[in-house]
Amino acid sequence: NAGVTQTPKFRILKIGQSMTLQCTQDMNHNYMYWYRQDPGMGLKLIYYSVGAGITDKGEVPNGYNVSRSTTEDFPLRLELAAPSQTSVYFCASSYKGGHTEAFFGQGTRLTVV
Amino acid sequence: AQKVTQAQTEISVVEKEDVTLDCVYETRDTTYYLFWYKQPPSGELVFLIRRNSFDEQNEISGRYSWNFQKSTSSFNFTITASQVVDSAVYFCALSETGANNLFFGTGTRLTVIP
Repeated sequence: NAGVTQTPKFRILKIGQSMTLQCTQDMNHNYMYWYRQDPGMGLKLIYYSVGAGITDKGEVPNGYNVSRSTTEDFPLRLELAAPSQTSVYFCASSYKGGHTEAFFGQGTRLTVV
Repeated sequence: AQKVTQAQTEISVVEKEDVTLDCVYETRDTTYYLFWYKQPPSGELVFLIRRNSFDEQNEISGRYSWNFQKSTSSFNFTITASQVVDSAVYFCALSETGANNLFFGTGTRLTVIP
């Protein structure tokens, strides 16, 4: 059972570069999320999606973009990377909304230098 | 506004000791959900439990137990006879009615010393 798969696991970016974090899930979940985790902090929501073609901003969306063309995939795009985007990024999915169990990927550790 | 407080940043215990991780929450909703997740050294978050606001029964699952008290807005997690494999960061989280996501506390890092 693959669950939620994120790639890459690690990445170093230079300031101003762009990249896409990939996320795919095989559980046919409608809801998908991107969170970021900074040291000593809890996870903060960047963007979420309630189904293919529908996305919305979370608590910290600035500097990021998302798309959801299929149920399975929910990529996160970083444009013009900044040091403040150095973080661990988690993709998650759930069958319904926030009141149901969420399944998390293994995370992507991103460093912007 | 919603808020989850995990005042214990780090806890260390010796193997076989019992340990309680505290979680205090704030919400204006009468219907909400509380969660605990475990983040082992490998990094992924693992679901442990979900509780809705209408169910104040305590729950026990093996060495794990949870105490939900609406009167004190707390949802504490106890590990009995701790083991080295329990070493992890534990997050408490809250979801309000109609919310599409979880709101996390800052986590408690538990280290179990053999």
